[in-house]
Amino acid sequence: NAGVTQTPKFQVLKTGQSMTLQCAQDMNHEYMSWYRQDPGMGLRLIHYSVGAGITDQGEVPNGYNVSRSTTEDFPLRLLSAAPSQTSVYFCATQGSGANVLTFGAGSRLTVL
Amino acid sequence: TQLLEQSPQFLSIQEGENLTVYCNSSSVFSSLQWYRQEPGEGPVLLVTVVTGGEVKKLKRLTFQFGDARKDSSLHITAAQPGDTGLYLCAGDASGTYKYIFGTGTRLKVLA
Repeated sequence: NAGVTQTPKFQVLKTGQSMTLQCAQDMNHEYMSWYRQDPGMGLRLIHYSVGAGITDQGEVPNGYNVSRSTTEDFPLRLLSAAPSQTSVYFCATQGSGANVLTFGAGSRLTVL
Repeated sequence: TQLLEQSPQFLSIQEGENLTVYCNSSSVFSSLQWYRQEPGEGPVLLVTVVTGGEVKKLKRLTFQFGDARKDSSLHITAAQPGDTGLYLCAGDASGTYKYIFGTGTRLKVLA
């Protein structure tokens, strides 16, 4: 069981570069979300999706784009990276009717 | 803005001691979840509390949901080095899948 798979695990970018963090799940969960984790600030919701074709903004959406073309995949795009986006990013999913988030192992992004 | 405040932020104790972590909010939650996170990994669910006043036990861990469903606590009895980690509370007050997380309590249990 792969669960939630995030790639890459580590990435270093220069300011202004673009990249996509990938999130794939094999649990047929309708709900998928992206969080960023910064020291002393817990996890903050960036974007989430309740199903294919549906996305919505979380607490800190600026500078990030998402799309949900399939149930399995929920990529997070940084169009022009900034040092403030240096963080650890987590993808999380939830099955219908369940009160539990299943997290990926995280992607550590450094923007120089 | 909904907030979940956790205390203490850091806790370093000796093996065998007891401890309590608190998660407080001014908002009412339909449920609260507790997660534990190890370095380099994503958070893993420990428990979900749903009913006001509910108490759930997971071996040496006892979780309580406040009567008004605005707060929760995690009590660890006879802590062990394996309990070391970051403990996070989380909830969805608005029922819109916008889960918010507490700032976390970083626990270190010394042998």
